[in-house]
Amino acid sequence: AQSVAQPEDQVNVAEGNPLTVKCTYSVSGNPYLFWYVQYPNRGLQFLLKYITGDNLVKGSYGFEAEFNKSQTSFHLKKPSALVSDSALYFCAVRDRDTGGFKTIFGAGTRLFVKA
Amino acid sequence: EAGVTQFPSHSVIEKGQTVTLRCDPISGHDNLYWYRRVMGKEIKFLLHFVKESKQDESGMPNNRFLAERTGGTYSTLKVQPAELEDSGVYFCASSSGTGRNEQFFGPGTRLTVL
Repeated sequence: AQSVAQPEDQVNVAEGNPLTVKCTYSVSGNPYLFWYVQYPNRGLQFLLKYITGDNLVKGSYGFEAEFNKSQTSFHLKKPSALVSDSALYFCAVRDRDTGGFKTIFGAGTRLFVKA
Repeated sequence: EAGVTQFPSHSVIEKGQTVTLRCDPISGHDNLYWYRRVMGKEIKFLLHFVKESKQDESGMPNNRFLAERTGGTYSTLKVQPAELEDSGVYFCASSSGTGRNEQFFGPGTRLTVL
């Protein structure tokens, strides 16, 4: 069965410091991996995805994520956090070997960036 | 380009009543999805339409939930009769093309069953 784990309910960082939001996944086949962000009273917005190729993926707003197959991880990173990055972040996985449309999400990690 | 819209934004009903949620996807998107998030937990997949056909409804909790997408445009999700555990935020999303493409989400409908 597919699953996604985001082990931290909340991550606190100071503005200007690097941030990491962790995600590990489990699929029976090969994954498509996604990160989405949700701001208050808004729907989820796509940040970045891993499909194939280079394990380091760059996305919107200066975010990046690294696919690590051996550790089944896809951690979200940013070199220098901004207060405006404060939001709820969701990691998601699809199993490409079963058709790749059913998406499994994690429980979300709330990022709080302090000025 | 208009995004995914959902109506209503909030709904408060009593146990046993019926509620219908509506989703209008981005024009031209064949894929439409329904999800539910309950009390800060993970966002759970409910079902996936391709045009008007249900491609995967493995996440639908029980037969009190009925989703339709007549004509392959907007979709409705009806809960009848509603139970307390149905409370949560219901998200709709749409996408084009294959499973490697990202989804575009609506703002969600917050359903409270009293």
